[in-house]
Amino acid sequence: QLQLQESGPGLVKPSETLSLTCTVSGGSIRSSSYYWGWIRQSPGKGLEWIGSIYYSGSTYYNPSLKSRVAISVDTSKNQFSLKLSSVTAADTAVYYCARSLLFNYDSVAYWGQGTLVTVSS
Amino acid sequence: EIVLTQSPGTLSLSPGERGTLSCRASQSVSSNYLAWYQQKPGQAPRLLIYSASTRATGIPDRFSGSGSGTDFTLTISRLEPEDFAVYYCQQYGSSPGTFGQGTKLEIK
Repeated sequence: QLQLQESGPGLVKPSETLSLTCTVSGGSIRSSSYYWGWIRQSPGKGLEWIGSIYYSGSTYYNPSLKSRVAISVDTSKNQFSLKLSSVTAADTAVYYCARSLLFNYDSVAYWGQGTLVTVSS
Repeated sequence: EIVLTQSPGTLSLSPGERGTLSCRASQSVSSNYLAWYQQKPGQAPRLLIYSASTRATGIPDRFSGSGSGTDFTLTISRLEPEDFAVYYCQQYGSSPGTFGQGTKLEIK
């Protein structure tokens, strides 16, 4: 059974970079035709797709965050990671890692349990 | 980007009743790439329906999805106690994928 688990700091200071890692178990991140992505949920903005990556390294980002986001993959560790720079209080949210449906990079089939990241000094 | 509007915001029903939730898109959803998710407090969302009408693995057949173009519906034929939760729709036909604001299904 596919499982995804987020890890990383729960508190980030304003203007710094948020970094999270997702560890995939029960399946290979090299699975063809599936994408691996990040979604966040906040009371103010609801659910928001951040971006996705294919195991080859191709990335797809939400235009609203593109200038601040970088997603990378480490196939040897079956992990992928999110970096969001220059964070503000508006970036406070629960961050989920996810696997897509077949072929659609901004769809979501499986979700991690989520991790709360608070931006505060 | 496509804006999804869900209605009603809150739906109060009793177990055994039929629940009908609506999701309307600001423009046509390509290939009817529309998904429905269920979220319970403190949990991640769970995929129920994709491609507007295909049930995800393990989802009971009391859940059904329908619609095309800009108007989509999630129907729960006979509500079970565990069905009371928040439901979200998402379109993934046009990038970026976007979500509705949710419908809270509560026990009457």
